[in-house]
Amino acid sequence: RKEVEQDPGPFNVPEGATVAFNCTYSNSASQSFFWYRQDCRKEPKLLMSVYSSGNEDGRFTAQLNRASQYISLLIRDSKLSDSATYLCAVKRDTPLVFGKGTRLSVIA
Amino acid sequence: DAGVIQSPRHEVTEMGQEVTLRCKPISGHNSLFWYRQTMMRGLELLIYFNNNVPIDDSGMPEDRFSAKMPNASFSTLKIQPSEPRDSAVYFCASSLRDQPQHFGDGTRLSIL
Repeated sequence: RKEVEQDPGPFNVPEGATVAFNCTYSNSASQSFFWYRQDCRKEPKLLMSVYSSGNEDGRFTAQLNRASQYISLLIRDSKLSDSATYLCAVKRDTPLVFGKGTRLSVIA
Repeated sequence: DAGVIQSPRHEVTEMGQEVTLRCKPISGHNSLFWYRQTMMRGLELLIYFNNNVPIDDSGMPEDRFSAKMPNASFSTLKIQPSEPRDSAVYFCASSLRDQPQHFGDGTRLSIL
């Protein structure tokens, strides 16, 4: 089993839709969790950290479920500009381990 | 506010040639990471440094790959000799202690 797994997508959604991505991790000792966004032919950029109690940043909500070892990202009222690949990242005492990413296309 | 700076942005070279990728981390960051990204394998960690010291190079594919960090503001990743299967985007990232990593723009490497 890979250390961090994501559905590769693509997710094709209309503008205004709500879309959710899940990411599972295999190491229960993982300590920190993040979502990164990567645009085509660009570098990954930190979107948000994921806290145990869940956290929200505008239209984006991140949640952590330690018991089931997954993190999620919810995007509400999706915009065309949200089209990108979303990578989850998990950290123990070593550097971040990334999932392969989920591709999102928001369609007008 | 300078981010992680990588050079070159693009490199096209023939197999067998030596390739050197360069990275300048964000000033004050004490950890530096080299990643390789391909469609098939995603983003893979090659090696990382803490305070200029290599900590884990288990991700380096083989002896043809080497990395150095002679000081806190500079690192290189070298491939010698290069092979077509080394073609990928190579990212350098840096971070401060346990903070999340910040990535450079990457070097798009094509080995013919």
